[in-house]
Amino acid sequence: GAGVSQTPSNKVTEKGKYVELRCDPISGHTALYWYRQSLGQGPEFLIYFQGTGAADDSGLPNDRFFAVRPEGSVSTLKIQRTERGDSAVYLCASSRTGQGTDTQYFGPGTRLTVL
Amino acid sequence: AQSVTQPDIHITVSEGASLELRCNYSYGATPYLFWYVQSPGQGLQLLLKYFSGDTLVQGIKGFEAEFKRSQSSFNLRKPSVHWSDAAEYFCAVDSGGGADGLTFGKGTHLIIQP
Repeated sequence: GAGVSQTPSNKVTEKGKYVELRCDPISGHTALYWYRQSLGQGPEFLIYFQGTGAADDSGLPNDRFFAVRPEGSVSTLKIQRTERGDSAVYLCASSRTGQGTDTQYFGPGTRLTVL
Repeated sequence: AQSVTQPDIHITVSEGASLELRCNYSYGATPYLFWYVQSPGQGLQLLLKYFSGDTLVQGIKGFEAEFKRSQSSFNLRKPSVHWSDAAEYFCAVDSGGGADGLTFGKGTHLIIQP
């Protein structure tokens, strides 16, 4: 079946602009995660959804970052007033139930560049 | 808070030689442990995972890892590497609840010499 997909694959924006990054999880997966991977680093957890609700958003760096998953499937990560330090690869992952034993399946990521 | 340390930023191995990538974790209880591989332009792919039971776990692509509680380690091994194994390898830990995501190490870049 289809894996996790993310669009766009690349996004270049100017400092101060607003961006939206989209994630399509594996069909039927109730758990969805967003991570951010900076150059030379491992992925860093941002937010976790169980169904439509954000069960844990402790990883969001500040209030410029927001994510939604209105129908429990597709999720959008929204970044307001982008800064150069937001440049990174944003990864989305989904798992069947969200239990720790479940495998998280990752998408290819969206590379965000803020000029 | 849990943390993961991968001491080696880069490792170079000759094709056909054995490989061991190191991973140390910090967590109060027995964590759930994972190894992922990331190839250029590819998403992270799970190689193997450990939750409980047999401390030697087998994964895909001929990889295995051993959980050693006394050393807080979960090292990844492969008896004979192939050129296609060149990639970035990440060790990760989950506290078990799933709710706070995975905590990843900084990764080890594996280079294969012909």
